[in-house]
Amino acid sequence: TQLLEQSPQFLSIQEGENLTVYCNSSSVFSSLQWYRQEPGEGPVLLVTVVTGGEVKKLKRLTFQFGDARKDSSLHITAAQTGDTGLYLCAGVPLGAGSYQLTFGKGTKLSVIP
Amino acid sequence: DTEVTQTPKHLVMGMTNKKSLKCEQHMGHRAMYWYKQKAKKPPELMFVYSYEKLSINESVPSRFSPECPNSSLLNLHLHALQPEDSALYLCASSRTALATRNTIYFGEGSWLTVV
Repeated sequence: TQLLEQSPQFLSIQEGENLTVYCNSSSVFSSLQWYRQEPGEGPVLLVTVVTGGEVKKLKRLTFQFGDARKDSSLHITAAQTGDTGLYLCAGVPLGAGSYQLTFGKGTKLSVIP
Repeated sequence: DTEVTQTPKHLVMGMTNKKSLKCEQHMGHRAMYWYKQKAKKPPELMFVYSYEKLSINESVPSRFSPECPNSSLLNLHLHALQPEDSALYLCASSRTALATRNTIYFGEGSWLTVV
């Protein structure tokens, strides 16, 4: 059973379009992190959300943590080709040790010029 | 500065070779991690070091041997690997291994090919 479910798994859109990626769980998380990874490179941290209902913005990227801290979303406005990559959500379930960083399977985003 | 540096970036080794992957961070983090990532899969935890002591070994075969010489360095010694061990090996660090609101920072990875 996958603790963190990401959707969609693959997404191909035209430059300038908007998109939303979802990260859902039946478990409560003390925090969730979003990473972006390019092939052959390590994941690069985009944001950490810790408070239920929290919204964080990073230029054209908007991250939201659900009120119950069981889900999160990443919204990209006016996507650019540079946004192409694998987007991973990861978190530590409440009550677990911080060793147990759980990853979703990722959303592979392709932005076409 | 949130940087974890890994060397080498690429490594090709034979099944009888002995090699090492190296990782360094100067953020004062006291928890360091090794992850393994196969193509199109998320990273999988291998080892956790907390205050230079091995805290977690996720049932990793003994042909992988971690070492933490000091709080800034983490090595992964490789010996008698198999072709299926080919993967991207990621080092990561965090402030501590205790706080669940910790943020984990990853290095760029070492791409290992076993021939």
